Amino acid sequence: ETGVTQTPRHLVMGMTNKKSLKCEQHLGHNAMYWYKQSAKKPLELMFVYNFKEQTENNSVPSRFSPECPNSSHLFLHLHTLQPEDSALYLCASSQDGADPKEQFFGPGTRLTVL
Amino acid sequence: GQNIDQPTEMTATEGAIVQINCTYQTSGFNGLFWYQQHAGEAPTFLSYNVLDGLEEKGRFSSFLSRSKGYSYLLLKELQMKDSASYLCAVVDSNYQLIWGAGTKLIIKP
Repeated sequence: ETGVTQTPRHLVMGMTNKKSLKCEQHLGHNAMYWYKQSAKKPLELMFVYNFKEQTENNSVPSRFSPECPNSSHLFLHLHTLQPEDSALYLCASSQDGADPKEQFFGPGTRLTVL
Repeated sequence: GQNIDQPTEMTATEGAIVQINCTYQTSGFNGLFWYQQHAGEAPTFLSYNVLDGLEEKGRFSSFLSRSKGYSYLLLKELQMKDSASYLCAVVDSNYQLIWGAGTKLIIKP
């Protein structure tokens, strides 16, 4: 595997379910990001991890919980989501989160909340 | 507040030239990115400008004017595969990326 991978690619869940999104980067980067992408809206930065430490949490509701066990893996744990949380969730990585040069994105997880 | 403006949608003809504009108002400036995103795929890096002027890379060029808070992406010799969304993003004073909503480019034969 190369680059940034995300699983699952598609996820449908009810509002009472608990699920997790997984991201893995094979680029040796030190920073990883979670973004939410909704139709016709700018990318919304959710969380940033730099050297496994969370450095950014952009007022994201607590029903989204990130986890970064090491610099290559990033998870987004989901529970009691709302229909408006339906979106494309993108993971990205870069060499250093303190100086974001080029970010490499994964293919995303298309999430539908029923 | 911080704001990135780009047109929502543009249409161009195969073989032609198209210019996608991006204007920004941000707290500080540490560079501007252009990304390409095909439908259902990940955004991919196109260009990075931090100094004023034109950066050329094959059929694609990116221009920056910091004094005007303005950039454009110029695509030449358009091909059908260039149909995609083009995202403008600015690095602010806190080294955060501020993203525009993207411009959907439709190429017609």
